[in-house]
Amino acid sequence: DQQVKQNSPSLSVQEGRISILNCDYTNSMFDYFLWYKKYPAEGPTFLISISSIKDKNEDGRFTVFLNKSAKHLSLHIVPSQPGDSAVYFCAASPSGTYKYIFGTGTRLKVLA
Amino acid sequence: DAGVIQSPRHEVTEMGQEVTLRCKPISGHDYLFWYRQTMMRGLELLIYFNNNVPIDDSGMPEDRFSAKMPNASFSTLKIQPSEPRDSAVYFCATRVRGEQYFGPGTRLTVT
Repeated sequence: DQQVKQNSPSLSVQEGRISILNCDYTNSMFDYFLWYKKYPAEGPTFLISISSIKDKNEDGRFTVFLNKSAKHLSLHIVPSQPGDSAVYFCAASPSGTYKYIFGTGTRLKVLA
Repeated sequence: DAGVIQSPRHEVTEMGQEVTLRCKPISGHDYLFWYRQTMMRGLELLIYFNNNVPIDDSGMPEDRFSAKMPNASFSTLKIQPSEPRDSAVYFCATRVRGEQYFGPGTRLTVT
């Protein structure tokens, strides 16, 4: 049973526009959430994270929003650039552990 | 630092053969994780170690899979016997504080 779900397998966005990637989770014990980015033939790399005590975290062009009541988080990329084209994985960590539960990923394509 | 090192990068083997995947963590990182990536299930955590001790192996799919960490510099994931459904990309990741750092992965194909 997928505890972390990314229901959109792919997304295409025009360069300069906003990209919004979504993630839903089912386990209320998750208290730390992350986004990883993955290029072909490489391992995932950390992008941004958020603790459950916050509802927003920003790092440059990347912002993560957390809605605990809806068990939903999203990643906003503004403005989107062609170099952002990659697979984005959402992950969640149960309280008191260092394990991450990943979603299935969303492939983002930013069109020049 | 060279980052997390995995070998081999690609492995093609026949069904029934034993497969051993290797990982060298970043020096000083005391947590090590093994993941499997498939299209259907995304990135699945198989097992993780802390200070060379297995902490959680609940993600290991079946007894054909085993993992060891004999010392702080080396870990192996073994599949014996391998089956076509084991075909996937296997990642090793390590951490000391903060986030997990992933290796480049091993692409396993079992024919």
